[in-house]
Amino acid sequence: GQNIDQPTEMTATEGAIVQINCTYQTSGFNGLFWYQQHAGEAPTFLSYNVLDGLEEKGRFSSFLSRSKGYSYLLLKELQMKDSASYLCAVLDSNYQLIWGAGTKLIIKP
Amino acid sequence: IAGITQAPTSQILAAGRRMTLRCTQDMRHNAMYWYRQDLGLGLRLIHYSNTAGTTGKGEVPDGYSVSRANTDDFPLTLASAVPSQTSVYFCASSDGEESTDTQYFGPGTRLTVL
Repeated sequence: GQNIDQPTEMTATEGAIVQINCTYQTSGFNGLFWYQQHAGEAPTFLSYNVLDGLEEKGRFSSFLSRSKGYSYLLLKELQMKDSASYLCAVLDSNYQLIWGAGTKLIIKP
Repeated sequence: IAGITQAPTSQILAAGRRMTLRCTQDMRHNAMYWYRQDLGLGLRLIHYSNTAGTTGKGEVPDGYSVSRANTDDFPLTLASAVPSQTSVYFCASSDGEESTDTQYFGPGTRLTVL
């Protein structure tokens, strides 16, 4: 079966750095997405990786290792508004998005 | 700027009743999707449409039907609601020009079936 694993919840301090990991086992791979979802709101796109390596976009970076079935989202200079759930999703061989359950990130002052 | 709208925002429904969730996008996107989101589970695809006039089944299609008469609208119908269909429903769309296009989500409909 297809599986995407992320930690259920993480806590970090305002101004710090946090890394949210995602491991996947899917039938084929056509890219990996990270989305942010604030409580009660819709998911919004953060990043897309299809090649190995690090993609940096402001305070957020996303890393992919296809050989290890592994990705992480790195958030720097954390702000209170970064408190949200972060969803990892993989595009499988049928170009269907398979979603992880999400990681709830709690930011403390 | 509208993007994707969904209606209603929330609904409480008696089991056995028929219900249609509406979804409209104004971005002229080719592809549209319906997901359900339940606590502790990832988003699960119910149905999708790659272009107007075509639809396909996702991971959890049973008990749901969709239609795509035009580019903008993609309604989801529950023919006879059951309590296990209590969930938050998200509609999404993507340009569809490439299979890896980013999906954009509507605000969601919170449905409770009693």
